[in-house]
Amino acid sequence: NAGVMQNPRHLVRRRGQEARLRCSPMKGHSHVYWYRQLPEEGLKFMVYLQKENIIDESGMPKERFSAEFPKEGPSILRIQQVVRGDSAAYFCASSPGQLNEKLFFGSGTQLSVL
Amino acid sequence: DAKTTQPPSMDCAEGRAANLPCNHSTISGNEYVYWYRQIHSQGPQYIIHGLKNNETNEMASLIITEDRKSSTLILPHATLRDTAVYYCIVSDLLRDNFNKFYFGSGTKLNVKP
Repeated sequence: NAGVMQNPRHLVRRRGQEARLRCSPMKGHSHVYWYRQLPEEGLKFMVYLQKENIIDESGMPKERFSAEFPKEGPSILRIQQVVRGDSAAYFCASSPGQLNEKLFFGSGTQLSVL
Repeated sequence: DAKTTQPPSMDCAEGRAANLPCNHSTISGNEYVYWYRQIHSQGPQYIIHGLKNNETNEMASLIITEDRKSSTLILPHATLRDTAVYYCIVSDLLRDNFNKFYFGSGTKLNVKP
């Protein structure tokens, strides 16, 4: 049973380009979370998704960032017109969506903006 | 925002027990306490969680005070590989089965030989 899969592991973009980060949850999991981690800091909540539904996006910047979790396929975190400040590790986690179930994390995507 | 407070760092001698404290004074009756750890830059790893009873698994023990306002994670025999940042989390119940998990700054545990 594969764990949470994130790709790519490393992504390099130039300022102004778009970054697309993918997350495939564990089999049977219908809830996905995205977190961002800057160097030497803790994980910051960004968005919480159920299939075809955004549950909570209170941690997402209002501009340039969007997330989706379609009925089929992985969850996508999209960052448009990237800036150097977007450089960070982005972690995805999934859960079965039952009350008080634990999260399972992927290995993260390290985004570097040149 | 995280509902928990933890010391920023702790040291522990290899082979000794590591006791990591966490305060969660605003926890509500049906919210669980979770512990995760992050080794280097890897994805966080689940350790243990509990509601009000003490819990033990192959990795650690979790002691929750009777008033549930604080807890302690115990690693009974710390090894160098336990050096990591340990996060104590109380999930934020939104509605139905929706839980939101906020990570605070965690405790950096340094296990020394």
